Amino acid sequence: QKEVEQNSGPLSVPEGAIASLNCTYSDRGSQSFFWYRQYSGKSPELIMFIYSNGDKEDGRFTAQLNKASQYVSLLIRDSQPSDSATYLCAAPTSGTYKYIFGTGTRLKVLA
Amino acid sequence: GAVVSQHPSWVICKSGTSVKIECRSLDFQATTMFWYRQFPKQSLMLMATSNEGSKATYEQGVEKDKFLINHASLTLSTLTVTSAHPEDSSFYICSAPPQLAGLYQETQYFGPGTRLLVL
Repeated sequence: QKEVEQNSGPLSVPEGAIASLNCTYSDRGSQSFFWYRQYSGKSPELIMFIYSNGDKEDGRFTAQLNKASQYVSLLIRDSQPSDSATYLCAAPTSGTYKYIFGTGTRLKVLA
Repeated sequence: GAVVSQHPSWVICKSGTSVKIECRSLDFQATTMFWYRQFPKQSLMLMATSNEGSKATYEQGVEKDKFLINHASLTLSTLTVTSAHPEDSSFYICSAPPQLAGLYQETQYFGPGTRLLVL
């Protein structure tokens, strides 16, 4: 069974700190990984995706991928209370657009 | 670009009635759309893959006769919850990977969701 795993949290960080969200996956064939943010009562919104080993930066967000370790992470710099949400990690199953989602990590940024 | 809409955003119905939810890709074509269900404080659960011009593919444990999916055009998929019961009350969300130049085609863009309450 192909899986994507995340710590459910909650992860609490003070405002202005770096929040680090982690995700591991079991399918070595997975090529790309997606991070979504979901506010309570809302649908997921795309933050960023990554498909190459290393880091990818977009504003305050940095995604990191290590295919050898089967590990993906999302760093949020200068965390704001508005970043408080559940962060979902997802990977398409090989050869399809169908995602395997992690259970999500709930982030709380404390003012 | 890559906007997905859903209608209605909220629906309340009596037990035993059927409810239709629409999912539209507004600025791109989508040969594939996905339907998810989410219960409070739980993660997304994929219900089915909607395929334009062919039958939907349902995930294990999802009753295809209860959750009817029709993908009649490249921009519209509908989910009909037939003979709804209180246990069907949930947040239903659709998504679609875009077929737009310049967008990574494995990306899924989500609709805003439809909250269903069955009394």
